[in-house]
Amino acid sequence: DSGVTQTPKHLITATGQRVTLRCSPRSGDLSVYWYQQSLDQGLQFLIQYYNGEERAKGNILERFSAQQFPDLHSELNLSSLELGDSALYFCASNAGTGYTEAFFGQGTRLTVV
Amino acid sequence: EDQVTQSPEALRLQEGESSSLNCSYTVSGLRGLFWYRQDPGKGPEFLFTLYSAGEEKEKERLKATLTKKESFLHITAPKPEDSATYLCAVPSTGKLIFGQGTTLQVKP
Repeated sequence: DSGVTQTPKHLITATGQRVTLRCSPRSGDLSVYWYQQSLDQGLQFLIQYYNGEERAKGNILERFSAQQFPDLHSELNLSSLELGDSALYFCASNAGTGYTEAFFGQGTRLTVV
Repeated sequence: EDQVTQSPEALRLQEGESSSLNCSYTVSGLRGLFWYRQDPGKGPEFLFTLYSAGEEKEKERLKATLTKKESFLHITAPKPEDSATYLCAVPSTGKLIFGQGTTLQVKP
């Protein structure tokens, strides 16, 4: 158990809908990272938050947004969903330096139908 | 642009047959290299951190080494339970960049 909790584990929704994925980081970690992993694809970095502020941004679509709350949990919002958004979404956390190992949650499997 | 390349993409071994996985990287000023194991449908599980050339880390049948241009994950006498995808990653502007991974299958 990495100590990073993601909910829900599975999500099935229709095209055009909006969903919210939730992540609780390890106790004491200030940084949260979101990654997308499509079928047979590598881990693609989406966005990083550190202590409530956006710190780094990857190839995140404009339809996607995230935030980190004062209690350090984070939410990834995906809107106007398309079939191609079906993927595993992972959250990871670490102390926040960006140069130490990050610990991953078990992911949310999103299926858009 | 910082980049990580892993080879081979897939590796099939017989139980007990040792081998090595390669991770080559192009980064401006390496500040660590991380190895992870990922089982299908699961989150990556952290294995090792290496910070400087010549450094080695071991865990059970796995040993990770680092040079100035690449890292190796050596698997000694693997067992079927070592079957997984092994990922390496380097930090780059505050995020981890991952290679595509090597999928290892160990047959009994």
